[in-house]
Amino acid sequence: DGGITQSPKYLFRKEGQNVTLSCEQNLNHDAMYWYRQDPGQGLRLIYYSQIVNDFQKGDIAEGYSVSREKKESFPLTVTSAQKNPTAFYLCASLAGGGFNEQFFGPGTRLTVL
Amino acid sequence: RKEVEQDPGPFNVPEGATVAFNCTYSNSASQSFFWYRQDCRKEPKLLMSVYSSGNEDGRFTAQLNRASQYISLLIRDSKLSDSATYLCVVNPNTGFQKLVFGTGTRLLVSP
Repeated sequence: DGGITQSPKYLFRKEGQNVTLSCEQNLNHDAMYWYRQDPGQGLRLIYYSQIVNDFQKGDIAEGYSVSREKKESFPLTVTSAQKNPTAFYLCASLAGGGFNEQFFGPGTRLTVL
Repeated sequence: RKEVEQDPGPFNVPEGATVAFNCTYSNSASQSFFWYRQDCRKEPKLLMSVYSSGNEDGRFTAQLNRASQYISLLIRDSKLSDSATYLCVVNPNTGFQKLVFGTGTRLLVSP
């Protein structure tokens, strides 16, 4: 079955540590996205990538970094510079070619202690 | 003004009721519109795309009003399983395939 996977589902880290969240898709989608969701708030765009080896900052990129070395993979690193990293992180992909719907992975819930 | 605004609810309705949500958007150049459903602590899932004058899928009907810049979602014959948060999502047509998400409207369907 085609889809988007994110791992781990739950992640606990100590303050000051960097952590990398995995996102893999086998939908052959070109564009991939990272969002953050906080309680009572809408999804906010962190980074996006339209093609391999290219990515752009979203609305709240400070304290985050990404890479896009393969079409299937778009990992997100939450660095120690992110002031409030505890949140629900969602990865999404989009087929392009006139289809604008984004499809989401199951998310990673990060808690920084 | 927020790019996408929704009434957070919750909307409490009995099974079998008809319920409607509205969502307003600020960018008149917006081209694509969607409703996503999000269950508690889960990822959003696409419920319906809304194109041109709207569309229907079973008990769900989505409408677009470009003049007033809002979209609506109508749910008929509500089921307990319809309880979720409904996200209004807009593509503001800013040059790449960016979506802007509303904060969601929570629906609770009771027996």
